[in-house]
Amino acid sequence: AQKITQTQPGMFVQEKEAVTLDCTYDTSDPSYGLFWYKQPSSGEMIFLIYQGSYDQQNATEGRYSLNFQKARKSANLVISASQLGDSAMYFCASGGGATNKLIFGTGTLLAVQP
Amino acid sequence: KAGVTQTPRYLIKTRGQQVTLSCSPISGHRSVSWYQQTPGQGLQFLFEYFSETQRNKGNFPGRFSGRQFSNSRSEMNVSTLELGDSALYLCASSLASGRGTDTQYFGPGTRLTVL
Repeated sequence: AQKITQTQPGMFVQEKEAVTLDCTYDTSDPSYGLFWYKQPSSGEMIFLIYQGSYDQQNATEGRYSLNFQKARKSANLVISASQLGDSAMYFCASGGGATNKLIFGTGTLLAVQP
Repeated sequence: KAGVTQTPRYLIKTRGQQVTLSCSPISGHRSVSWYQQTPGQGLQFLFEYFSETQRNKGNFPGRFSGRQFSNSRSEMNVSTLELGDSALYLCASSLASGRGTDTQYFGPGTRLTVL
């Protein structure tokens, strides 16, 4: 069974600094995807970035990058130049096999301080 | 393109009642998945619909059901509501590859409170 572990319940970062949110995964599927979502207090889940298991390069989307280390089964999210609007809950998720079911971690609450 | 829409946004019901939530996917997306989010259990997969058929189902009792229409819009129904059904219900849509590598885009959610 797939499992996602996020060991940081909460984190603080100063505005304009970079921050890394940790995520480790466990899956038996040979082909899988790893996702990061942002959930502000309003509740909507906002897609940030995707990494495929066969992708050779780490994914990047603007200020977001994914540090993918396949051998260590980790997929950490790096947010560069943090902004106050980045304060939110962040979820790591995985999907794999012949299903659209996503398995989510418990999330990391990020607070950006001015 | 318009995003995923969910109605209603907020709902208050009493125990024993039933409720129907609606989800309209992004245009062109044929797969719709539903998730339940609670403080205690986190985000849990309820079910996925594709081409009007339930393709996957999570570990929830039969009181939770859903359906999908020919235009890909989906509804989920919860019968005989219990206090523990209070949650944020999120709908997500994606393309139809049926692989776990599809990106799912979420709607704003329906916040259900059971009294």
